Amino acid sequence: DTAVSQTPKYLVTQMGNDKSIKCEQNLGHDTMYWYKQDSKKFLKIMFSYNNKELIINETVPNRFSPKSPDKAHLNLHINSLELGDSAVYFCASSRIDTQYFGPGTRLTVL
Amino acid sequence: TQLLEQSPQFLSIQEGENLTVYCNSSSVFSSLQWYRQEPGEGPVLLVTVVTGGEVKKLKRLTFQFGDARKDSSLHITAAQPGDTGLYLCAGDQTGANNLFFGTGTRLTVIP
Repeated sequence: DTAVSQTPKYLVTQMGNDKSIKCEQNLGHDTMYWYKQDSKKFLKIMFSYNNKELIINETVPNRFSPKSPDKAHLNLHINSLELGDSAVYFCASSRIDTQYFGPGTRLTVL
Repeated sequence: TQLLEQSPQFLSIQEGENLTVYCNSSSVFSSLQWYRQEPGEGPVLLVTVVTGGEVKKLKRLTFQFGDARKDSSLHITAAQPGDTGLYLCAGDQTGANNLFFGTGTRLTVIP
């Protein structure tokens, strides 16, 4: 059974478009996260949600907006995509001190 | 500047050799975690260390948290090709599980 799932796995789009990445976890965790991993494999937190409240926003451009319809889902919406947004985006969830990561979504902006 | 610096950045060794990866910072962490990430997948937690000087063993992997809780090391004994991957340390400063990840060490074990 998949613990943390993301869709799509790959996303190729043109600059200026708006896109969404979906994330679902079936672990019953209270906190979910979005991370960005750049081409040098550096992983940086973007957002976390705890009980549908945003508790971290690491100076991410406001073109990025997390949306949590319920505790099991945290979707990432990106408006006006830029070339520099190309990266792998990971969703994660946690309870206490262990984070479980999804398989990632590779976003390529052309 | 990166909060957590890992060294080496790349490491290629023969099967059976030993290796150590370092994770260093000038900041104090309430806990530090090590993850391994394989191509096309998300990071997977290997261990969490919380006490200064703590040593944890996971089969052939030995993890140590520095006495001052600013650094950590990962030692692998008799490396196997299955150990190949990207190793990431991650520190939590506040105890709220807000992780800062290290710069990563890409390990290749050659059969």
